[in-house]
Amino acid sequence: QLQLEESGPGLVRPSETLSLTCTVSGGSISNNNYYWAWIRQPPGKGLEWIGSVYSISGSTSHHPSLKSRVTISVDTSKNQFSLKLHSLTAADTAIYYCARPVLEWLGGAFDIWGLGTMVTVSS
Amino acid sequence: EIVLTQSPGTLSLSPGEGATLSCRASESVPGSYLAWFQQKLGQAPRLLIYAASNRATGVPDRFSGSGSGAVFTLTISRVEPEDFAVFYCQQYGRSPYTFGQGTKLEI
Repeated sequence: QLQLEESGPGLVRPSETLSLTCTVSGGSISNNNYYWAWIRQPPGKGLEWIGSVYSISGSTSHHPSLKSRVTISVDTSKNQFSLKLHSLTAADTAIYYCARPVLEWLGGAFDIWGLGTMVTVSS
Repeated sequence: EIVLTQSPGTLSLSPGEGATLSCRASESVPGSYLAWFQQKLGQAPRLLIYAASNRATGVPDRFSGSGSGAVFTLTISRVEPEDFAVFYCQQYGRSPYTFGQGTKLEI
């Protein structure tokens, strides 16, 4: 059974870079060309898609509201994909989830989620 | 980007009643690539419906999705006590893939 687990710091200072990793277990990240995703949820608010990466091609896309602050990559040798979010502000405080869509090539309809990791941006 | 508006914001029902949740898009969703999620407090979202009307694995058949174009509906035929949660729609027909603001289903 495929499982995802986010890891990274729980507290980051403003203007710094957040680095999160999603480790995939119970299967290979490169078996199929899924569009692995990062989604976040500020406390008490709704869900926001951050961006996604294809596991085989490595091509990515991200929400334009985040402009050039986002870097998403995949490391098939470690069965992981990662998120870097630069120039943090308090508005980036959220639960960060990694997820996989129900079908290959799709950008949404995520049927497998990590438990989420809370990230607080504060000095 | 495609903006999704969910209504009502809060739906108050008793177990056994039927529920109808709406998701309206600011423009037609390509391919009717519209999903519904259920999120309980402190948990990750759970996929219920994808491609507007396809139930995800393990989802009870009291949940059904319908719609096309820019208007979509999630129906719960008879609400069970474990169904009370927040429900989100998401379009994944065009990037950026956007979510609605959520409908809270409360007792």
